[in-house]
Amino acid sequence: EAGVAQSPRYKIIEKRQSVAFWCNPISGHATLYWYQQILGQGPKLLIQFQNNGVVDDSQLPKDRFSAERLKGVDSTLKIQPAKLEDSAVYLCASSLVILAEDTYEQYFGPGTRLTVT
Amino acid sequence: AQRVTQPEKLLSVFKGAPVELKCNYSYSGSPELFWYVQYSRQRLQLLLRHISRESIKGFTADLNKGETSFHLKKPFAQEEDSAMYYCALSGRGSSNTGKLIFGQGTTLQVKP
Repeated sequence: EAGVAQSPRYKIIEKRQSVAFWCNPISGHATLYWYQQILGQGPKLLIQFQNNGVVDDSQLPKDRFSAERLKGVDSTLKIQPAKLEDSAVYLCASSLVILAEDTYEQYFGPGTRLTVT
Repeated sequence: AQRVTQPEKLLSVFKGAPVELKCNYSYSGSPELFWYVQYSRQRLQLLLRHISRESIKGFTADLNKGETSFHLKKPFAQEEDSAMYYCALSGRGSSNTGKLIFGQGTTLQVKP
């Protein structure tokens, strides 16, 4: 099966500019996650969608970050305006509920590396 | 507070030596524990989870609720095990949304 797709793979912007990332999850996966991974740290969840509804966006800096998942498939994450501290890898993941074990296995995309100068 | 701690940023061993990657957690409830691995130039992928009690690529991990630990072990390291390893947790049961909380990661370097 095709994996989670993300684009672009790399992006360099100046502070105060805007940027958008795109994610296409594995077909049939209802749940989609966006994580931020700052250099030297583990991934941190920014926002989680179940179909096209938001499940958790408690750690999303809503004054500058926004995300949407129209039609419950692809998703975009936007930063406007960007700050230096937004430099990170942005990972998209999707999951299919494993009902028998009540466990969600997440499949990750390759990530988008953002550098804000 | 919900937290995963991996105390070692780098673990360097020789091929054939035993490996133990440490992971401690803090969670109010009954968590699900995972190990994820990222090989060079590859995407993050699931290595194993405690609930399945599997041995994957020779690695095992036992959940110790008393010590709140989930250390990853392998008796004989191979050069192809060199990678970044992340310990992660999520909730279990009806309140589980699938959200993963990751540790900071440990780079395992296996020398020939």
